[in-house]
Amino acid sequence: AQSVAQPEDQVNVAEGNPLTVKCTYSVSGNPYLFWYVQYPNRGLQFLLKYITGDNLVKGSYGFEAEFNKSQTSFHLKKPSALVSDSALYFCAAHTGTASKLTFGTGTRLQVTL
Amino acid sequence: DSGVTQTPKHLITATGQRVTLRCSPRSGDLSVYWYQQSLDQGLQFLIQYYNGEERAKGNILERFSAQQFPDLHSELNLSSLELGDSALYFCASSSSGAYNSPLHFGNGTRLTVT
Repeated sequence: AQSVAQPEDQVNVAEGNPLTVKCTYSVSGNPYLFWYVQYPNRGLQFLLKYITGDNLVKGSYGFEAEFNKSQTSFHLKKPSALVSDSALYFCAAHTGTASKLTFGTGTRLQVTL
Repeated sequence: DSGVTQTPKHLITATGQRVTLRCSPRSGDLSVYWYQQSLDQGLQFLIQYYNGEERAKGNILERFSAQQFPDLHSELNLSSLELGDSALYFCASSSSGAYNSPLHFGNGTRLTVT
């Protein structure tokens, strides 16, 4: 069975500082990995995905994620956080043999001035 | 704006009742997904349709059913409602239903069962 873990319920960072939101996955086969963001009272928005190729993936709003096969991780990063980045972030994983996209439990990012 | 429309935004109903949630996918998207989001269960996949046919089933209760119509809109029917069914229900769509296609989510329907 595939699973996605987001070990931190909340990440706090000051505006202008780099941020990292962690994600590890457990799937059989080659993973398809995604990051989504959810703002209050809104649906999830797609940020970026890793399918194959370069381990560093760039996405929307200056976010990027690094795929690490040996550590089965797909951490979300941004060089300089903004207050407007404060939201709930979800990591998700899929394999070609699985019938569904599995989401992590979400990490709340709080960026303060 | 994702282009996915869900109605109604809010629904309050009593236990034992039946409700229907409606979803219109993004223009051109053939695949529709339903998810349930609650505080204790997180984001749970319910069911996926592709071009009118059921493609994948997740943790969907027997009291729940869904369908996708020829115009590609979808409805999720919840019956014999229980207090525990209170949650945010999301519809998402994707162009092809392929595993590497990102999902585009609507803003959800918040269901409160009293």
